[in-house]
Amino acid sequence: RKEVEQDPGPFNVPEGATVAFNCTYSNSASQSFFWYRQDCRKEPKLLMSVYSSGNEDGRFTAQLNRASQYISLLIRDSKLSDSATYLCVVIYTGGFKTIFGAGTRLFVKA
Amino acid sequence: NAGVTQTPKFQVLKTGQSMTLQCAQDMNHEYMSWYRQDPGMGLRLIHYSVGAGITDQGEVPNGYNVSRSTTEDFPLRLLSAAPSQTSVYFCASSQVDPGPTRKKLFFGSGTQLSVL
Repeated sequence: RKEVEQDPGPFNVPEGATVAFNCTYSNSASQSFFWYRQDCRKEPKLLMSVYSSGNEDGRFTAQLNRASQYISLLIRDSKLSDSATYLCVVIYTGGFKTIFGAGTRLFVKA
Repeated sequence: NAGVTQTPKFQVLKTGQSMTLQCAQDMNHEYMSWYRQDPGMGLRLIHYSVGAGITDQGEVPNGYNVSRSTTEDFPLRLLSAAPSQTSVYFCASSQVDPGPTRKKLFFGSGTQLSVL
């Protein structure tokens, strides 16, 4: 079993739709959590951090459930420019080992 | 501010050849790491370092060597390239200070490596 698992998709949604991705992690020693975005095999870029209290950045909302060991990302009012691969990232306690999920591919169509 | 610089961008090797992928950062980050990305596998951690003289293995270290003689540089060496090492390689760096907001990884633009 992979340490960080994501539904690979692809998710095909129309502009304006709301879409949600989930990610599960297996190591309870995991400490920090993030969502990264990657375009066309370019380098990944940080989208947002994830906290137990939940956090929002414009149309994006991230949530962490430590008891169930999963992380979610909600995108509201999808734009064409949101088309990308979304990577779930977990950092172990101690802050040194960073593990990426395989990514969820999103296509937003007009 | 250059950030993280990776070279080369593309490389073709024959089986058994050796080479070094270069990675340099100018942000004074203590943490540096190497990942490989294969279709359907996401990014997998090869090796990482938390400071000069300190390195450790990641998920897939076999076939790769690293060293960290300076804070700025973290080269990745393939001693005897194999076709299974055909992949896209990314170098990344970040601060080591505690606190979740400081763990942002800065990535280089990647190296596409093909081993024939």
